[in-house]
Amino acid sequence: QKEVEQNSGPLSVPEGAIASLNCTYSDRGSQSFFWYRQYSGKSPELIMSIYSNGDKEDGRFTAQLNKASQYVSLLIRDSQPSDSATYLCAVPLFSGGYNKLIFGAGTRLAVHP
Amino acid sequence: DADVTQTPRNRITKTGKRIMLECSQTKGHDRMYWYRQDPGLGLRLIYYSFDVKDINKGEISDGYSVSRQAQAKFSLSLESAIPNQTALYFCATWTGGHGYTFGSGTRLTVV
Repeated sequence: QKEVEQNSGPLSVPEGAIASLNCTYSDRGSQSFFWYRQYSGKSPELIMSIYSNGDKEDGRFTAQLNKASQYVSLLIRDSQPSDSATYLCAVPLFSGGYNKLIFGAGTRLAVHP
Repeated sequence: DADVTQTPRNRITKTGKRIMLECSQTKGHDRMYWYRQDPGLGLRLIYYSFDVKDINKGEISDGYSVSRQAQAKFSLSLESAIPNQTALYFCATWTGGHGYTFGSGTRLTVV
């Protein structure tokens, strides 16, 4: 099992729909979780961080965390073509001393008009 | 000015050549990281450093070396480049609760 797993996609959604991106992680001791967006050829940029079980909302983005299930998700409401990008889930693993982020391979999202 | 600056942005080099990728930051962060990104494989950690005297190997350090010349500067070297080191390389600093800040990346091609 990989330490951080994501479906590679592509996930295709129509404009205005809700896009749901999922991530699972292996280390039960992990305490914080990050979602990055990366446009092709560009550097990743932070969208959301979440530390507590439940939901955290920021504009059109909602991060959801379930530590018991070792599952974190990102919902994008009212998806726009400009949201088309690769979304990376990142976790600092307890086994790594929380000193570095381990990234999933990313889910490619395509929002079509 | 960007918080994390990488040079060069693009580089083509020949097999067997030594090459250095440079990274500098303006925010005074202690922790700096080098990752490479390959299609379908995500970001993989090469080396990281917590201060000038603290250098640590990541999961794919073979064929690479680093130097932390100052708190603000962290360089990655390929001692003898090979084609499978062709990738997009990112430098990052740790900003605590906000995770990483990444540089713009260096696209390296080894021919």
